[in-house]
Amino acid sequence: DTGVSQDPRHKITKRGQNVTFRCDPISEHNRLYWYRQTLGQGPEFLTYFQNEAQLEKSRLLSDRFSAERPKGSFSTLEIQRTEQGDSAMYLCASSPPGEGYGYTFGSGTRLTVV
Amino acid sequence: DQQVKQNSPSLSVQEGRISILNCDYTNSMFDYFLWYKKYPAEGPTFLISISSIKDKNEDGRFTVFLNKSAKHLSLHIVPSQPGDSAVYFCAASGDSSASKIIFGSGTRLSIRP
Repeated sequence: DTGVSQDPRHKITKRGQNVTFRCDPISEHNRLYWYRQTLGQGPEFLTYFQNEAQLEKSRLLSDRFSAERPKGSFSTLEIQRTEQGDSAMYLCASSPPGEGYGYTFGSGTRLTVV
Repeated sequence: DQQVKQNSPSLSVQEGRISILNCDYTNSMFDYFLWYKKYPAEGPTFLISISSIKDKNEDGRFTVFLNKSAKHLSLHIVPSQPGDSAVYFCAASGDSSASKIIFGSGTRLSIRP
């Protein structure tokens, strides 16, 4: 078990470009979450998958953001036409079925839009 | 609207003494509460949780207390150790399956020698 893996660790992009991040959860975890964290703040919920179904999306997730989990395993988060305000740490987490578990987070992808 | 509030951005405690981190919440529908610890350049790590049907949960040096009437929880670390220096996030969820967790803004704990 290698934990939750996120790729890339860092991404610098020019405003207006599209970026895609990948998350590989712990293999037996059926739930997968995306969060965003800015400096001095706690992680903010973006979206949540149970297996391949996207069950909830935050209002923070504008139309420029899309997330997929096509086979219920890895997930991708795409941001189109990036803006400077998108600069943040994007965190992925997963959790197993059942109750009483906290998430296991990955180390995150730090996005800088210049 | 911040549903989970950590009003102390930082806390400094001497090694060996008790660290007490506080958290308030506004949503009475929250049913499950968690604490996470975060080191620089790493994702948050789950530390301890408590269900709303309990008022205390203990795990080694870490104890979480829940006061539902006051909508307040606290994390006690005793004795505090240098490795406890980190940012601590309080978090809450509407159910114990933790389908969606709401985080506070964090408290940076520094343990001084």
